[in-house]
This record gives sequence, C-alpha cells and structure tokens, in this order.
Amino acid sequence: EVQVVESGGGLVQPGGSLRLSCAASGFIFSNYGINWVRQAPGKGLEWISYISTYGSTINHADSVKGRFTIARDNAKNSLYLQMNSLRDEDTAVYYCAREDCGSTSCFIDYWGQGTLVTVSS
Amino acid sequence: IQLTQSPSSLSASVGDRVTIACRASQGIGSSLAWYQQNPGKAPKLLIYGASTLQSGVPSRFSGSGSGTDFTLTISSLQPEDFATYYCQQLNSYRTFGPGTKVDIK
Repeated sequence: EVQVVESGGGLVQPGGSLRLSCAASGFIFSNYGINWVRQAPGKGLEWISYISTYGSTINHADSVKGRFTIARDNAKNSLYLQMNSLRDEDTAVYYCAREDCGSTSCFIDYWGQGTLVTVSS
Repeated sequence: IQLTQSPSSLSASVGDRVTIACRASQGIGSSLAWYQQNPGKAPKLLIYGASTLQSGVPSRFSGSGSGTDFTLTISSLQPEDFATYYCQQLNSYRTFGPGTKVDIK
C-alpha cells in the first residue's frame, strides 16, 4: 500500500525555523517526484515545492523562495522541507504529495494526511 | 501560470449536472488535473491529462479542454460529491486554482 506520512509540524515563533519530514512506503521512492503542498486554515491549496526523482530539478513557489528548501534522501525513502524565516502567513497544513507522470501529463496521485505548522508569538 | 475557476461556489441538488470551469493564464496543453477535497481530508485525484479518469473514480466525472480552457463535469451529482474541487496545472512549475465549493441546494 502506498503511504506518505508527514511529521515535524508544530508551533514556532515568527522568524523561527522548522524541518518537516515525509516518510514514504509501498512504492519505489526514487522513481517519483514529490511535492509539498500547503493549505492555510479555511483557504485553498497552495503548491510550494517540487523535487524530481534524484533531485536534479527543484522548484519553489515565489512565496517561499529563499526561505524554504526541499530535499530528499532516496536511501531513507524520505523527503524534507527546511523552513526558515517563518512568517504568520506560513501557518498551514503541509502535505507531502507523490507525483506520477503518464504519457501526456503529470499528476499528484497520493497525498499524506498533512502536518500542521502554526507560526505565532 | 495563474489559474482561475468559475464559479467560486455553487448550490446544486442530487441528480443535477454540474460544470466547473478552469482557465489558465497561458497555454498549458493538456497538463491539467482535477482534485476533490472534503473538509479535513487530503485532496483526491479525479482527472489528469485534462480528460483521463483516475482509476476508481466514478464515470459520472469527466474532464475536457486543452490550451487555456478546461471543464470538469459531474453528470449526476451524488450526495458524496458535495465537496470543494480544485484544478491544477503541471506544465510550468505547479499551480492550483482557487477552488469551487459545491454545496447542497
């Protein structure tokens, strides 16, 4: 069974740092690109980061560029999101999401349950 | 690439035909997916490649379009379909639309 499980969320003060982790199982981790997607309370989905299978392609949304860094360790079947200089507006549920690609397009086919990050003094 | 969705919300009855539109700010070919999200849950993939139904998704869901204009159609709304629907482009980076909430009339 495919599973992605996030951890590392919690309460952090503005300006602080946090590292999220995502543990994957049930599939060959190194075969898939992975995304971080977040959702602020009562708001819509926001894509924030993508990393390709071996990390050769990394993209970040403008809202987090220069503050957040995505990384992966294929030997540990794990994905990470290092979040620095956190702001109130970073408060959200953060989802780890597996991306697959068909013949014509890519898509997110598995999502974790999410981990809540609260930025507040 | 920015995505807009219309309407932002709609009220419908069981059995209704529902159509949600998604427009991209520039052409994205068929690199568009649709997701359904219920409150407190992770999103669920419905459609990818603009029109390919994800395995296990009921056939009442369908997608169409290419380039900049896309549509998600639910042919006969069921009680479990009351949820929020998002489009996502995967042509250049990734972007989600703002969502369309479907609730009970």
